[in-house]
Amino acid sequence: KAGVTQTPRYLIKTRGQQVTLSCSPISGHRSVSWYQQTPGQGLQFLFEYFSETQRNKGNFPGRFSGRQFSNSRSEMNVSTLELGDSALYLCASSLAGHHGDNEQFFGPGTRLTVL
Amino acid sequence: AQKITQTQPGMFVQEKEAVTLDCTYDTSDQSYGLFWYKQPSSGEMIFLIYQGSYDEQNATEGRYSLNFQKARKSANLVISASQLGDSAMYFCAMREAQGGKLIFGQGTELSVKP
Repeated sequence: KAGVTQTPRYLIKTRGQQVTLSCSPISGHRSVSWYQQTPGQGLQFLFEYFSETQRNKGNFPGRFSGRQFSNSRSEMNVSTLELGDSALYLCASSLAGHHGDNEQFFGPGTRLTVL
Repeated sequence: AQKITQTQPGMFVQEKEAVTLDCTYDTSDQSYGLFWYKQPSSGEMIFLIYQGSYDEQNATEGRYSLNFQKARKSANLVISASQLGDSAMYFCAMREAQGGKLIFGQGTELSVKP
């Protein structure tokens, strides 16, 4: 079956703009999580959606938001971009996202550069 | 608070030899899952292996095996017969009992020498 897809793969924006990233999970997966990866902070959890509801949220400002649609596809939005938002944004999908769920696969990521 | 620790920032191994990447974790949950991922320079996170906290057997997937020692809270990854293509960053991660959130370690950069 097809893997996790993320669009766009690369994005260049300027400070103050907003951006929307998209993630399509593996067919049948209902949990979608988003992560930010930077050289300084490593991999940090942004939020998780399950059945169109935000189930878990990381420690990021309100400029970072997301949503999930009925087909499990998810979008992440960052408003008023800052230079520090430059990062690789990774999306991961899993069946149900609990301890017994042995599947958690990542997409190729979206590399965002803020100038 | 849950935490993953990878104490080896960088490792070198000779091609065809085995290598162990260390991972220790801290959690008060009884139910949790442990993952290892490989991240080549392209950036994609590639799933390698999973171990559930109640699994009695150590997980194995081809050349990858997970040395799970629950009492010591360690989940080391063993790569047998290293290949040049194994050169990459390796991340250990833990998932909480509820929800899909993964907590990652800082990673180990593995370099395989010919």
